[in-house]
Amino acid sequence: AQSVTQLDSHVSVSEGTPVLLRCNYSSSYSPSLFWYVQHPNKGLQLLLKYTSAATLVKGINGFEAEFKKSETSFHLTKPSAHMSDAAEYFCVVSDKEGGSYIPTFGRGTSLIVHP
Amino acid sequence: EAGVAQSPRYKIIEKRQSVAFWCNPISGHATLYWYQQILGQGPKLLIQFQNNGVVDDSQLPKDRFSAERLKGVDSTLKIQPAKLEDSAVYLCASRERTSGGSYEQYFGPGTRLTVT
Repeated sequence: AQSVTQLDSHVSVSEGTPVLLRCNYSSSYSPSLFWYVQHPNKGLQLLLKYTSAATLVKGINGFEAEFKKSETSFHLTKPSAHMSDAAEYFCVVSDKEGGSYIPTFGRGTSLIVHP
Repeated sequence: EAGVAQSPRYKIIEKRQSVAFWCNPISGHATLYWYQQILGQGPKLLIQFQNNGVVDDSQLPKDRFSAERLKGVDSTLKIQPAKLEDSAVYLCASRERTSGGSYEQYFGPGTRLTVT
Protein backbone atom coordinates (compact mmCIF):
# COMPACT_ATOMS: atom_id res chain seq x y z
CA ALA A 1 0.00 0.00 0.00
CA GLN A 2 1.18 3.50 -0.77
CA SER A 3 1.57 6.32 1.72
CA VAL A 4 3.05 9.79 1.91
CA THR A 5 4.53 11.63 4.88
CA GLN A 6 5.01 15.36 5.00
CA LEU A 7 7.52 15.80 7.75
CA ASP A 8 6.60 19.33 8.81
CA SER A 9 3.13 20.64 9.52
CA HIS A 10 4.41 24.25 9.44
CA VAL A 11 7.46 25.88 7.87
CA SER A 12 8.28 29.50 8.59
CA VAL A 13 10.75 31.50 6.46
CA SER A 14 11.64 35.10 5.81
CA GLU A 15 10.98 36.66 2.43
CA GLY A 16 13.98 36.15 0.15
CA THR A 17 15.30 33.06 1.96
CA PRO A 18 15.20 29.48 0.63
CA VAL A 19 12.21 27.20 1.09
CA LEU A 20 12.37 23.46 1.80
CA LEU A 21 9.20 21.39 2.23
CA ARG A 22 9.88 17.73 2.91
CA CYS A 23 7.98 14.73 1.58
CA ASN A 24 8.71 11.02 1.94
CA TYR A 25 6.67 8.32 0.26
CA SER A 26 6.13 4.62 0.37
CA SER A 27 5.17 2.74 -2.77
CA SER A 28 5.35 -0.79 -4.07
CA TYR A 29 5.82 0.24 -7.68
CA SER A 30 7.19 3.19 -9.60
CA PRO A 31 5.00 6.00 -8.40
CA SER A 32 3.98 9.27 -9.89
CA LEU A 33 4.52 12.12 -7.44
CA PHE A 34 2.93 15.55 -7.36
CA TRP A 35 3.03 18.75 -5.36
CA TYR A 36 -0.14 20.82 -5.15
CA VAL A 37 -0.62 24.25 -3.57
CA GLN A 38 -3.77 25.55 -1.89
CA HIS A 39 -4.05 29.27 -1.21
CA PRO A 40 -6.63 30.40 1.33
CA ASN A 41 -10.15 30.06 -0.06
CA LYS A 42 -8.78 28.93 -3.40
CA GLY A 43 -8.78 25.60 -5.19
CA LEU A 44 -5.88 23.17 -5.34
CA GLN A 45 -3.39 23.88 -8.11
CA LEU A 46 -0.64 21.68 -9.49
CA LEU A 47 2.91 22.96 -8.84
CA LEU A 48 4.85 20.13 -10.46
CA LYS A 49 4.90 16.40 -11.08
CA TYR A 50 7.41 13.55 -11.37
CA THR A 51 6.65 10.85 -13.90
CA SER A 52 9.87 8.76 -14.13
CA ALA A 53 11.62 11.06 -16.58
CA ALA A 54 14.10 13.60 -15.16
CA THR A 55 14.62 13.29 -11.41
CA LEU A 56 14.84 17.08 -10.99
CA VAL A 57 11.48 18.55 -11.81
CA LYS A 58 10.81 22.24 -12.36
CA GLY A 59 7.40 23.67 -11.66
CA ILE A 60 5.57 26.96 -11.66
CA ASN A 61 6.54 30.06 -9.66
CA GLY A 62 10.20 29.01 -9.31
CA PHE A 63 9.54 25.80 -7.38
CA GLU A 64 11.37 22.56 -8.08
CA ALA A 65 11.56 19.09 -6.56
CA GLU A 66 14.05 16.25 -6.73
CA PHE A 67 13.00 12.61 -6.81
CA LYS A 68 15.44 10.45 -4.81
CA LYS A 69 14.50 6.80 -5.04
CA SER A 70 17.15 5.65 -2.57
CA GLU A 71 15.74 8.00 0.06
CA THR A 72 12.09 7.64 -1.06
CA SER A 73 11.87 11.42 -0.97
CA PHE A 74 10.42 14.15 -3.14
CA HIS A 75 11.27 17.40 -1.36
CA LEU A 76 10.02 20.74 -2.69
CA THR A 77 12.40 23.70 -2.83
CA LYS A 78 12.52 27.32 -3.93
CA PRO A 79 15.65 29.50 -3.81
CA SER A 80 13.93 32.65 -2.62
CA ALA A 81 10.55 32.87 -0.89
CA HIS A 82 8.00 35.48 -1.85
CA MET A 83 5.12 36.69 0.29
CA SER A 84 2.70 35.26 -2.25
CA ASP A 85 4.09 31.75 -1.60
CA ALA A 86 2.31 31.63 1.77
CA ALA A 87 -0.13 28.74 1.38
CA GLU A 88 -0.76 25.07 2.16
CA TYR A 89 1.32 22.58 0.18
CA PHE A 90 0.38 18.94 -0.41
CA CYS A 91 2.56 16.09 -1.59
CA VAL A 92 0.67 13.38 -3.47
CA VAL A 93 1.68 9.86 -4.49
CA SER A 94 -0.21 7.96 -7.16
CA ASP A 95 0.55 4.31 -7.61
CA LYS A 96 -1.07 1.55 -9.59
CA GLU A 97 -2.95 -0.54 -7.06
CA GLY A 98 -5.29 -3.19 -8.30
CA GLY A 99 -4.92 -1.96 -11.85
CA SER A 100 -5.89 1.66 -11.21
CA TYR A 101 -4.01 4.76 -10.15
CA ILE A 102 -5.27 5.83 -6.74
CA PRO A 103 -3.92 9.14 -5.35
CA THR A 104 -2.97 9.60 -1.71
CA PHE A 105 -2.45 13.06 -0.23
CA GLY A 106 -0.10 13.99 2.58
CA ARG A 107 -1.46 15.93 5.54
CA GLY A 108 -0.07 19.19 4.19
CA THR A 109 2.61 21.72 5.15
CA SER A 110 1.64 25.28 5.88
CA LEU A 111 4.25 27.71 4.54
CA ILE A 112 4.46 30.99 6.44
CA VAL A 113 6.48 33.81 4.90
CA HIS A 114 7.58 36.72 7.07
CA PRO A 115 8.43 40.12 5.58
CA GLU B 1 -11.48 25.59 -21.22
CA ALA B 2 -13.99 25.64 -18.38
CA GLY B 3 -12.82 24.21 -15.08
CA VAL B 4 -14.44 21.76 -12.69
CA ALA B 5 -17.74 23.15 -11.45
CA GLN B 6 -19.23 22.40 -8.05
CA SER B 7 -22.41 23.48 -6.33
CA PRO B 8 -23.41 24.64 -3.88
CA ARG B 9 -20.33 26.47 -2.59
CA TYR B 10 -21.59 26.54 0.98
CA LYS B 11 -24.15 24.51 2.89
CA ILE B 12 -25.27 24.56 6.50
CA ILE B 13 -27.51 21.76 7.77
CA GLU B 14 -28.50 20.22 11.05
CA LYS B 15 -27.32 16.77 12.05
CA ARG B 16 -29.48 13.92 10.79
CA GLN B 17 -30.52 15.96 7.75
CA SER B 18 -29.51 14.97 4.24
CA VAL B 19 -27.46 16.94 1.72
CA ALA B 20 -26.31 16.53 -1.87
CA PHE B 21 -23.38 18.00 -3.75
CA TRP B 22 -23.02 18.27 -7.50
CA CYS B 23 -19.91 18.22 -9.68
CA ASN B 24 -19.44 18.80 -13.39
CA PRO B 25 -15.93 17.79 -14.52
CA ILE B 26 -13.92 19.23 -17.37
CA SER B 27 -15.37 18.08 -20.67
CA GLY B 28 -13.84 14.83 -21.85
CA HIS B 29 -12.27 13.90 -18.52
CA ALA B 30 -12.90 10.23 -17.89
CA THR B 31 -11.83 10.03 -14.23
CA LEU B 32 -13.69 11.84 -11.46
CA TYR B 33 -12.82 12.01 -7.77
CA TRP B 34 -14.62 13.09 -4.62
CA TYR B 35 -12.50 14.09 -1.63
CA GLN B 36 -13.29 15.11 1.92
CA GLN B 37 -10.98 17.74 3.41
CA ILE B 38 -11.40 18.30 7.14
CA LEU B 39 -9.93 21.54 8.46
CA GLY B 40 -6.18 21.22 8.96
CA GLN B 41 -5.88 17.92 7.09
CA GLY B 42 -5.08 16.79 3.58
CA PRO B 43 -7.86 15.71 1.22
CA LYS B 44 -9.07 12.16 1.77
CA LEU B 45 -10.26 10.26 -1.29
CA LEU B 46 -13.86 9.12 -0.86
CA ILE B 47 -14.58 7.68 -4.28
CA GLN B 48 -12.99 7.49 -7.71
CA PHE B 49 -14.99 6.95 -10.92
CA GLN B 50 -13.69 5.92 -14.29
CA ASN B 51 -16.39 6.93 -16.77
CA ASN B 52 -19.51 5.74 -14.92
CA GLY B 53 -17.89 2.86 -13.04
CA VAL B 54 -16.45 2.92 -9.52
CA VAL B 55 -12.67 2.36 -9.35
CA ASP B 56 -12.22 2.80 -5.61
CA ASP B 57 -14.63 3.58 -2.79
CA SER B 58 -12.77 1.94 0.07
CA GLN B 59 -12.88 5.07 2.24
CA LEU B 60 -16.50 5.99 1.55
CA PRO B 61 -18.70 5.53 4.66
CA LYS B 62 -21.30 3.59 2.77
CA ASP B 63 -23.83 3.55 5.59
CA ARG B 64 -24.41 7.27 5.07
CA PHE B 65 -22.57 8.40 1.94
CA SER B 66 -23.48 7.55 -1.63
CA ALA B 67 -22.26 8.80 -5.00
CA GLU B 68 -23.19 8.28 -8.57
CA ARG B 69 -21.96 9.33 -11.97
CA LEU B 70 -24.71 8.62 -14.41
CA LYS B 71 -23.73 8.72 -18.09
CA GLY B 72 -20.10 9.17 -17.12
CA VAL B 73 -20.26 12.97 -16.97
CA ASP B 74 -21.44 14.88 -13.92
CA SER B 75 -21.68 13.37 -10.47
CA THR B 76 -23.54 13.76 -7.19
CA LEU B 77 -22.39 12.95 -3.67
CA LYS B 78 -25.04 12.50 -0.99
CA ILE B 79 -24.89 12.29 2.78
CA GLN B 80 -27.87 10.88 4.64
CA PRO B 81 -28.08 11.33 7.58
CA ALA B 82 -25.35 13.87 8.29
CA LYS B 83 -23.25 13.81 11.44
CA LEU B 84 -21.30 16.61 13.09
CA GLU B 85 -18.01 15.02 11.97
CA ASP B 86 -19.06 15.37 8.33
CA SER B 87 -18.31 19.10 8.54
CA ALA B 88 -15.61 19.57 5.91
CA VAL B 89 -14.89 20.84 2.44
CA TYR B 90 -15.93 18.37 -0.26
CA LEU B 91 -13.71 18.59 -3.30
CA CYS B 92 -14.37 17.25 -6.75
CA ALA B 93 -11.55 16.67 -9.22
CA SER B 94 -11.25 15.26 -12.70
CA ARG B 95 -8.46 13.82 -14.76
CA GLU B 96 -8.06 13.52 -18.48
CA ARG B 97 -7.00 9.93 -19.00
CA THR B 98 -8.16 6.66 -17.51
CA SER B 99 -4.76 4.97 -17.67
CA GLY B 100 -1.36 6.23 -16.62
CA GLY B 101 -0.51 7.81 -13.31
CA SER B 102 1.14 10.95 -14.58
CA TYR B 103 -1.88 12.97 -15.53
CA GLU B 104 -2.71 15.71 -13.07
CA GLN B 105 -6.02 16.21 -11.37
CA TYR B 106 -7.97 19.44 -11.84
CA PHE B 107 -9.87 20.52 -8.77
CA GLY B 108 -13.11 22.39 -8.34
CA PRO B 109 -13.55 25.16 -5.74
CA GLY B 110 -15.16 22.78 -3.25
CA THR B 111 -18.34 22.80 -1.17
CA ARG B 112 -17.95 23.84 2.45
CA LEU B 113 -20.38 21.83 4.59
CA THR B 114 -21.18 22.80 8.16
CA VAL B 115 -23.26 20.38 10.23
CA THR B 116 -24.74 21.89 13.40
